Amino acid sequence: GNSVTQMEGPVTLSEEAFLTINCTYTATGYPSLFWYVQYPGEGLQLLLKATKADDKGSNKGFEATYRKETTSFHLEKGSVQVSDSAVYFCALSDPGGGADGLTFGKGTHLIIQP
Amino acid sequence: EAQVTQNPRYLITVTGKKLTVTCSQNMNHEYMSWYRQDPGLGLRQIYYSMNVEVTDKGDVPEGYKVSRKEKRNFPLILESPSPNQTSLYFCASNPGGIGSYEQYFGPGTRLTVT
Repeated sequence: GNSVTQMEGPVTLSEEAFLTINCTYTATGYPSLFWYVQYPGEGLQLLLKATKADDKGSNKGFEATYRKETTSFHLEKGSVQVSDSAVYFCALSDPGGGADGLTFGKGTHLIIQP
Repeated sequence: EAQVTQNPRYLITVTGKKLTVTCSQNMNHEYMSWYRQDPGLGLRQIYYSMNVEVTDKGDVPEGYKVSRKEKRNFPLILESPSPNQTSLYFCASNPGGIGSYEQYFGPGTRLTVT
């Protein structure tokens, strides 16, 4: 079946540092890939997505590229801010459709210190 | 405002006392899902629904029931809650159809069963 593996953290960085959160996946076919963010006390929000190989998703300074050859979708940001502190989830959807939901990684807790 | 709402946001109950968590979306989405979030386990799907009167089990359905009598509502029912159902629950929806893989999440319901 499908699975997503991501670094669990917590990951602690200083403000303005470079961020990478690794995500790799196992799936049959060509899934769509997502990064969701969960701020304290809130639900999950879509951060970015990519629907086919070599696509780059980007939003709020975050980027991730769909790498089929390495089955990866690593999240990056060049200069993090304290407001980026949150839990980040990598996820994939079955290529056949979205009814049966997403397969999530376990989440990476990111802490940005001033 | 397009949104998924859940009620209650917080609930403390005792073992065996039936409870219902409501979920409603105002986006006319076809698909709806319930997830639970537990530390170290990420999000796991409980049940999903592809349309009115069409529901199916997710990864962890034991101890839960759902119904989909109207398109906008998808309540989660715990007939006899147990302490191992203490968790953070999220309802989600998506439009359905090819390419509609993004899930829109509610704010979450934190359930404690004593």
